[in-house]
Amino acid sequence: QQQVKQSPQSLIVQKGGIPIINCAYENTAFDYFPWYQQFPGKGPALLIAIRPDVSEKKEGRFTISFNKSAKQFSLHIMDSQPGDSATYFCAASELLGNQFYFGTGTSLTVIP
Amino acid sequence: EPEVTQTPSHQVTQMGQEVILRCVPISNHLYFYWYRQILGQKVEFLVSFYNNEISEKSEIFDDQFSVERPDGSNFTLKIRSTKLEDSAMYFCASSVGWNTEAFFGQGTRLTVV
Repeated sequence: QQQVKQSPQSLIVQKGGIPIINCAYENTAFDYFPWYQQFPGKGPALLIAIRPDVSEKKEGRFTISFNKSAKQFSLHIMDSQPGDSATYFCAASELLGNQFYFGTGTSLTVIP
Repeated sequence: EPEVTQTPSHQVTQMGQEVILRCVPISNHLYFYWYRQILGQKVEFLVSFYNNEISEKSEIFDDQFSVERPDGSNFTLKIRSTKLEDSAMYFCASSVGWNTEAFFGQGTRLTVV
């Protein structure tokens, strides 16, 4: 059973566009929601994370929007650049949880 | 900046052989994980480890798998008798606590032939 559902599977945007990647979950015990960026042949790198007590978090060009009632969260990349081309994974873990549940990943391509 | 390091970066092994994948977590982290990623697919949880004990393991982590913290710095994953379907990228991760930022290593690409 897929604990975290991620969409879309792939995304192509022009440079300067704002790609949006969405994730949804059912487990109300989830308490921590990180996003990871992965380049080919590399490990996932923590990008930004949010907890349910806030609805939005910004770090540089990356913003997480969180809707607790809908059990959804999304990643927005402002002013996207070709260097942002990578696979993005959302994840979730429970309070006192000892594993992360990953989404299926979104392959982002930013066209110059 | 502290990082999780993994060795080797690539290992090729014959089916049925034992492999040991090594990881050095970030030094002040106490919680350790192994994940794997089959090419082009999602990141799958294998096992978490704290205080020299397995904390949680997935269905993938069967009797062929084991983990160990042999000294104060290394964290290893052993696959006793490799199968073709064990071919994947294996990632080690560590964190200060449960449910907090986890940092991943660069991975070991395991190829079973």
